[in-house]
Amino acid sequence: GAGVSQTPSNKVTEKGKYVELRCDPISGHTALYWYRQSLGQGPEFLIYFQGTGAADDSGLPNDRFFAVRPEGSVSTLKIQRTERGDSAVYLCASSSGTGGYTFGSGTRLTVV
Amino acid sequence: AQSVSQHNHHVILSEAASLELGCNYSYGGTVNLFWYVQYPGQHLQLLLKYFSGDPLVKGIKGFEAEFIKSKFSFNLRKPSVQWSDTAEYFCAVKGDSNYQLIWGAGTKLIIKP
Repeated sequence: GAGVSQTPSNKVTEKGKYVELRCDPISGHTALYWYRQSLGQGPEFLIYFQGTGAADDSGLPNDRFFAVRPEGSVSTLKIQRTERGDSAVYLCASSSGTGGYTFGSGTRLTVV
Repeated sequence: AQSVSQHNHHVILSEAASLELGCNYSYGGTVNLFWYVQYPGQHLQLLLKYFSGDPLVKGIKGFEAEFIKSKFSFNLRKPSVQWSDTAEYFCAVKGDSNYQLIWGAGTKLIIKP
């Protein structure tokens, strides 16, 4: 596609539930990043994929968070046993490696 | 550890005023530098970037930024702002030995009509 697509745009879930957030990067971009942006702060790095593999998952806050990119294109960020502190905008970006990163519109996650 | 500092969290200007938003970073090696803008309700968009070459970089919408290596700075400027420039502006840095973007906390810019 022409840009990075993230779905859903908004997700409200109850504390303790499981959620999946999807990112469809720009076609041909091998690098894919997940960031999290809390109110009043800059984005915080979560995980980076190069192709199908997670090259760096050091930003994932704990083992409730997991991400996959099985075919090197679409990625899914999975959060188990959600907590209110997980509420944030989750951003996905992709890059061809030669320039800036293109960000999706984000998924606003609200845990109630 | 790398860090990025944006000096002002909130800036309020009148239309036609000149703008300068400060950005300083800490990293000893070669860096790639970015300014992103986030308009209300919209996603992050790239304003401009610096990889190498001329340290004065021109971006979209009349914005420019100057990389001053000795000061570890990459300040964003615009000679005459418009009401439509109301947004949040983020400075980000990527060191040459890694791939993460390290972000500043952002500056909220409000332009009074």
